[in-house]
Amino acid sequence: DTGVSQNPRHKITKRGQNVTFRCDPISEHNRLYWYRQTLGQGPEFLTYFQNEAQLEKSRLLSDRFSAERPKGSFSTLEIQRTEQGDSAMYLCASSLSGGLSNQPQHFGDGTRLSIL
Amino acid sequence: KNQVEQSPQSLIILEGKNCTLQCNYTVSPFSNLRWYKQDTGRGPVSLTIMTFSENTKSNGRYTATLDADTKQSSLHITASQLSDSASYICVVSDQGSQGNLIFGKGTKLSVKP
Repeated sequence: DTGVSQNPRHKITKRGQNVTFRCDPISEHNRLYWYRQTLGQGPEFLTYFQNEAQLEKSRLLSDRFSAERPKGSFSTLEIQRTEQGDSAMYLCASSLSGGLSNQPQHFGDGTRLSIL
Repeated sequence: KNQVEQSPQSLIILEGKNCTLQCNYTVSPFSNLRWYKQDTGRGPVSLTIMTFSENTKSNGRYTATLDADTKQSSLHITASQLSDSASYICVVSDQGSQGNLIFGKGTKLSVKP
């Protein structure tokens, strides 16, 4: 399968713990995006990378959240000192660059985070 | 504030019937509008992408229309199948942001036999 891969698919943790998610994009895609989706809502933009550079961050990305894409390939999203409100599906997407006009974002199936 | 509003919130139709989903947006400046299909527990899958100069785009039984003047779009599904049961999300790209896509809450479609 050459689509976007996210691991783990599910993560259950206690409040206050740190969690890290991984995203492997489609290999030739240089853009990588992170979104958060809660039940009944559409995804909300968190951040995106072009190659290894983090070019944009949403105000939703508090100081407890950090994302990296060290070699311009896979990316990790870490949440420190998790809170109940962090419970959500975390989606990763990748695309080619060259303007947004006709470049679809290909999504992974997400990591569902549940905070106890 | 940039917003994307979708209607109806949910819809139930019989297999074989057609349906139309609506999307209104206030995003400005506008770059493009996308429709995604999201099955339960899965990531969204792109159906169509339209720039402001395009009025209609088809992908199999899915046809999207765009009126950039009234800031409205619709997604028409023809001859629905059980596998069409999913959430359909309208997404608008803000020209001022390279990364920020603004998602609607989606229309949850249920196709019954």
